[in-house]
Amino acid sequence: DAKTTQPTSMDCAEGRAANLPCNHSTISGNEYVYWYRQIHSQGPQYIIHGLKNNETNEMASLIITEDRKSSTLILPHATLRDTAVYYCIVTRPISGSARQLTFGSGTQLTVLP
Amino acid sequence: DGGITQSPKYLFRKEGQNVTLSCEQNLNHDAMYWYRQDPGQGLRLIYYSQIVNDFQKGDIAEGYSVSREKKESFPLTVTSAQKNPTAFYLCASSRGLLASTGELFFGEGSRLTVL
Repeated sequence: DAKTTQPTSMDCAEGRAANLPCNHSTISGNEYVYWYRQIHSQGPQYIIHGLKNNETNEMASLIITEDRKSSTLILPHATLRDTAVYYCIVTRPISGSARQLTFGSGTQLTVLP
Repeated sequence: DGGITQSPKYLFRKEGQNVTLSCEQNLNHDAMYWYRQDPGQGLRLIYYSQIVNDFQKGDIAEGYSVSREKKESFPLTVTSAQKNPTAFYLCASSRGLLASTGELFFGEGSRLTVL
């Protein structure tokens, strides 16, 4: 299974961009990279996902390196409400074409006023 | 509003008692999941179900049971065989079993404390 490595914690100043890195050096060609976040004691929330190309939505941007061995989630203008644990996930197969998301420990992002 | 509803939010039980956690979704999703989260750790998959009347064990199914009699409902029973049941339990659903793309929608969780 492709595993991910993320820093345990990061700080970011309010209003600045938050760049959260993730290494997934064993990712295979058909595996997607997903990002979720979890605010304390709530269910995780989907942020974005991608395969090869960079992706952007209303919440964030996802930059995937050309070799796909790492990626960066960018929150362009972090707010205090972005303080959460951010999970970088690579899907893994469970049966046939079905896949599951395996959540590791994630990165605790703290946005500072 | 469409979403996933878990109940109860907090639950206290004595050791040796079975406990059933409710999960209902009105998103018309085919697939549903149960995860367990311990303090400071990520989520671990307990069971998942792709369609009604079918479910599969995840990574930590021992001591748990599920049923999927209706598309909207996927209750989880924490049995007395589960050695360390105190945890935060999260239910999720998705349109399919993430064959290609697709995101998980999570409920707000149920926190179970065994005394």
